Formats: sequence, structure tokens, C-alpha cells
Amino acid sequence: QLQLQESGPGLVKPSETLSLTCSVSGGSIGSGNYYWGWVRQPPGKSLEWIGTIQSSGSTYYSPSLQSRVTLSVDTSRNQFSLKLTSVTAADTAVYYCARLDFTRYFDLWGRGTLVTVSS
Amino acid sequence: DIQMTQSPSTLSASAGDRVTITCRASQSINGWLAWYQQKPGKAPKLLMYRASTLESGVPSRFSGGGSGTEFTLTISSLQPDDFATYHCQQYSRPPWTFGQGTKVEIK
Repeated sequence: QLQLQESGPGLVKPSETLSLTCSVSGGSIGSGNYYWGWVRQPPGKSLEWIGTIQSSGSTYYSPSLQSRVTLSVDTSRNQFSLKLTSVTAADTAVYYCARLDFTRYFDLWGRGTLVTVSS
Repeated sequence: DIQMTQSPSTLSASAGDRVTITCRASQSINGWLAWYQQKPGKAPKLLMYRASTLESGVPSRFSGGGSGTEFTLTISSLQPDDFATYHCQQYSRPPWTFGQGTKVEIK
């Protein structure tokens, strides 16, 4: 059974870069017609799509975050990663990695990891 | 961006009740709509896609409908395990956007 697990620092200072990795187990990130992505949820708020990547490396970003976001994939490690630069308190959220069906709904989610931006 | 608006924001109901949540899109999304269930401290879980197709393993008391800009999620007989927050998501046109969520709470 495919599982996703986020990892990375839980505390990031303002103006620094948030870096998270999603490790995929129970299956290959390169198999099947799937995309891989990140969604975040600020405390008490709803869900926000950040970006999506294919195993080929093709990326798609939310316009509201595009200038600060970079997604990458490492098929040899079965992982994909998120970098968000110049963070502020508004970037404090639970960050989820997820698998997307080729039509772009999220069919499998990681457990999520809380990232707090604070000095 | 396509805006997704759910109503109500909070719904109080009892076990056994039939409940319906509405999700409206700011423009037609041609049925490219998914529903998710989220419990406190947990990740969202896919319930339904293509507006009315039940994800494998999801109980049949959940059903979805609608077209164009208005969609519904119905729980035919609310069970204790169903008290949660429900989110809709459009995947017709990027950026993929979610509704603000509907919390189903115990009356």
C-alpha cells in the first residue's frame, strides 16, 4: 500500500527558506499516470494548493506562490521536495504532500507536518 | 482563479440524520469536483471525484451530485464516524482550489 511521509524542520525563521521532503513507500514514484504535489492548511483555515510535479520533473505552481516555490523530484530516492523562500508568519501551516490522479484530484495524502515561521 | 464556496460553514445534526452540503463554483467546472473528509489533526481523505464517483472503500451512504457550478454532498444517514469537516475541490482549471470547508458537528 502506497504511503507518503513528510519530513523537515518544524520551525523556520522569517525570511528564510522552508524545505520539506515527501518520501513515498510501497510503490514507485515513477510508475503509473500520477502527479505529486503539496497542499498547505494554515491553522483553522482551509486548504491551499501549492504546486505539483511529475516524475519527469515537469512542474506546475500556484500563481500566488510561484515566485517563491520550487518543487523537485528524486526518482532514485522515491522522494519529492518543496522549497519555499522568504517565508513570513503567513506561511505557518500544516504542509501535506499528496498524490494526484492524472485528472488532478488528490487521491492519497501524507499525514502532514506543521511548519511554524517564527524568530 | 475559480472560487469555491461551501454552505453551510457549520452543520449541526444528529446520528441518523440526512445531511446535504453544497459547493458552488464561480464558473462552470464541468463536473471536475472532488470531496474530502477531514478529521481534527488528520489529513484529508478522498471521498468522491468527478462529482459523483465514490472512492473505493467509502460507504455508500455518501453520495454526490450536481453539474455546472452547483454540487452537493449528501450523507443519507449520519454515523458517529461522519462528524468531521468536508472540503470540496475543483480540478477543472488550475490553480486547483478548495472550498472553505463545512464542519458537521453533533447536535
